Amino acid sequence: GVTQSPTHLIKTRGQQVTLRCSSQSGHNTVSWYQQALGQGPQFIFQYYREEENGRGNFPPRFSGLQFPNDSSELNVNALELDDSALYLCASSMMGSLPTEAFFGQGTRLTVV
Amino acid sequence: QKEVEQDPGPLSVPEGAIVSLNCTYSNSAFQYFMWYRQYSRKGPELLMYTYSSGNKEDGRFTAQVDKSSKYISLFIRDSQPSDSATYLCAMSRLSSASKIIFGSGTRLSIRP
Repeated sequence: GVTQSPTHLIKTRGQQVTLRCSSQSGHNTVSWYQQALGQGPQFIFQYYREEENGRGNFPPRFSGLQFPNDSSELNVNALELDDSALYLCASSMMGSLPTEAFFGQGTRLTVV
Repeated sequence: QKEVEQDPGPLSVPEGAIVSLNCTYSNSAFQYFMWYRQYSRKGPELLMYTYSSGNKEDGRFTAQVDKSSKYISLFIRDSQPSDSATYLCAMSRLSSASKIIFGSGTRLSIRP
């Protein structure tokens, strides 16, 4: 399955954070979503073969990395209070159906 | 205007009732219409999906898509307390390279 770490973390405004995702074995695409409390997930960006392959309406301080070993990272710089949310990654195979994306359990980030 | 609109609820019904959850959308390019179930502090899991228009039934769950009205529904028959969760409608274009657009979610509670 898709696993994310850590499960929870608390950061201070202005700090930087790195969230990690381990994709389903063999999947070559990972997408990241931000889910604020009481809202649906919002697309941040997608990585395919270690390159960004589409981005939602998020500023450049949100960045990502994808590694050849089925792992990926979401980095957020200069944290703001509004960045508090559940961050979800979803892994898939490029060319598969959108219904074949599998979500992790998420990392809950609290910015104080 | 959001691409996908969903009544956030909360919705509370007695056990055994029929539940109707609905979403509207504005982008006629959507081809996959999905319903995810999300338990508290967990990642969303795909419940069922429909490709293009029509109905799909899976046990107690029925998904309907009316593309002419840009309106989708999920019906739950014989609702159970274990169905209590947040239900997210979601839509996407044809491929996994396309981002998934989520509604804001409806929080459903089934009273024993």
